[in-house]
Amino acid sequence: QLQLQESGPGLVKPSETLSLTCTVSGGSIISSNYYWDWIRQPPGKGLEWIGSVYYSGSTDYNPSLKSRVTISVDTSKNQFSLKLSSVTAADTAVYYCARRGVAAVPGYDYWGQGTLVTVSS
Amino acid sequence: EIVLTQSPATLSVSPGERATLSCRASQSISSNLAWYQQKPGQAPRLLIYGASTRAAGIPARFSGSGSGTEFTLTISSLQSEDFAVYYCQQYNNWPPITFGQGTRLEIK
Repeated sequence: QLQLQESGPGLVKPSETLSLTCTVSGGSIISSNYYWDWIRQPPGKGLEWIGSVYYSGSTDYNPSLKSRVTISVDTSKNQFSLKLSSVTAADTAVYYCARRGVAAVPGYDYWGQGTLVTVSS
Repeated sequence: EIVLTQSPATLSVSPGERATLSCRASQSISSNLAWYQQKPGQAPRLLIYGASTRAAGIPARFSGSGSGTEFTLTISSLQSEDFAVYYCQQYNNWPPITFGQGTRLEIK
């Protein structure tokens, strides 16, 4: 059974960089069939796509966040990571990592449990 | 960017009744739409992809329909565990992947 687990600080100061890692277990991140994505959800609000990474390292980002976001993959550790720079209170959210199919099942079929990141001094 | 508009924002339905949730896209997305269920404190759960294909393990009471710009999620006979927030998501034109704002399904 595939599992995804987010890890990283739960509290980040304004103007600093938010860093999270998603560890994938029960399956390999090296697959041409999937994208590995980050999605966030501010408290009480809806879902916002942050960006995607492919096992090759190819990335796509939400244009609204593109100037501040870096997503990378480490296939040797079966992990992918998110960095969001210059954070403000508006970046306070539950951050999810998730797997999205390229073709066969193109939705998000596996999700991490989510991790709350609060931006506050 | 494709904007998805869900309606209604809140839907009140009695257990055993049918619920119909709508999702409208700002431009045609063919059948490249998924639906998710989210309960408090949990990650979303994939229900439907390709507008009408149930994901693995999803009960048959959940069905999706539509193409182009108009989509519907129908829950045929509501069970207590179905009361949650539902989101639609498009993957036709990306980046960005976009989600609707959600419909809260509550017990009447």
